[in-house]
Amino acid sequence: QQQVKQSPQSLIVQKGGISIINCAYENTAFDYFPWYQQFPGKGPALLIAIRPDVSEKKEGRFTISFNKSAKQFSLHIMDSQPGDSATYFCAASPGTYKYIFGTGTRLKVLA
Amino acid sequence: EAQVTQNPRYLITVTGKKLTVTCSQNMNHEYMSWYRQDPGLGLRQIYYSMNVEVTDKGDVPEGYKVSRKEKRNFPLILESPSPNQTSLYFCASSWGDSYNEQFFGPGTRLTVL
Repeated sequence: QQQVKQSPQSLIVQKGGISIINCAYENTAFDYFPWYQQFPGKGPALLIAIRPDVSEKKEGRFTISFNKSAKQFSLHIMDSQPGDSATYFCAASPGTYKYIFGTGTRLKVLA
Repeated sequence: EAQVTQNPRYLITVTGKKLTVTCSQNMNHEYMSWYRQDPGLGLRQIYYSMNVEVTDKGDVPEGYKVSRKEKRNFPLILESPSPNQTSLYFCASSWGDSYNEQFFGPGTRLTVL
């Protein structure tokens, strides 16, 4: 099964709050899980990525949590800011140059 | 400036009229890929190329063709466009293997009437 299921579809968070976006996959061959951020009118840009040999990766206010047994991974945005308002895509790849993206989460951070 | 460029950025065409969307990168990346983005469906991979003269199908290749004759260019060809190919198209490139950051172009919004 090649699908990557992403939720929620949209998310509204107050400034300073925590934004959490979840993704789930079926294919156990996936071994690279990037998150991309997309602002209106722009192409997606890599935010953070993880391999399944670690359960968590943190870069600044952005953290990926990875649960290999549950086949789930999530993006946490701490101290969310209005500038974080964007669409976020999770993705998965089995390392064969193929990428499967989630359906996207539109995040709005209220000032 | 390191970048991926796409042309045109906007295109309105009619059913059946062949078109080409160009993609060029100046980072000497081996890997290039095309995606389409549709509301509620996210990004879906159309074709990708691991290097010059090496291409393979993504998840939604039907109705599209690609070629990779030079390392920097990866054009997307729609031989006979149909309305269901109306979409936002992105080209991306990256170094070497599948575990590297993909750099995306600015997108091409295509409308097929």
